[in-house]
Amino acid sequence: AQTIHQWPVAEIKAVGSPLSLGCTIKGKSSPNLYWYWQATGGTLQQLFYSITVGQVESVVQLNLSASRPKDDQFILSTEKLLLSHSGFYLCAWSLYGAGSDYTFGSGTRLLVI
Amino acid sequence: SQWGEENLQALSIQEGEDVTMNCSYKTYTTVVHWYRQDSGRGPALIILIRSNEREKRSGRLRATLDTSSQSSSLSITAAQCEDTAVYFCATDASGGNNKLTFGQGTVLSVIP
Repeated sequence: AQTIHQWPVAEIKAVGSPLSLGCTIKGKSSPNLYWYWQATGGTLQQLFYSITVGQVESVVQLNLSASRPKDDQFILSTEKLLLSHSGFYLCAWSLYGAGSDYTFGSGTRLLVI
Repeated sequence: SQWGEENLQALSIQEGEDVTMNCSYKTYTTVVHWYRQDSGRGPALIILIRSNEREKRSGRLRATLDTSSQSSSLSITAAQCEDTAVYFCATDASGGNNKLTFGQGTVLSVIP
């Protein structure tokens, strides 16, 4: 069975500090991977996607970057956090992109103070 | 109905009632996803309906898709308290096989 694990579960960080969020997918070879951001009470906004190791495409520029160092791992990071980065970060995978179902992780809650 | 950058909409119904949530999209889409999101969790897919399907059912859930009016709906029959959640539609209408765009969502509260 496929599993998707996000870490950490929650973070409280200071403005200007660095951030690294992770996502690991087990039980599925070469999945398409995605990062989404959700403001409290808002919808999901796609940030990045990756269809293969080492390749990441940006969808929305929010002073964040993403990397896929391994087939089963997707990392979201920034060197300097902004207050506007607060929210809920969700990782997801799919087999064939938007034409197939997306499976989301449990998310990371980030509060920037 | 949901789309665009608007805030979440809210619906409140009594247990046992039927409810329909609507979704419209701006350009051609090949598929509409419907997800439910429980508080503090990631969204979970409940129905995926393709452009060659007009209707799809799963238990008490029914999704429709009208490509001519660029709209989709999700209906829940005899809603139960456990149906309380946020419901999102999502499409690939923004272009690109790996760009799934979510509507603004509907907060459904089912009251006993």
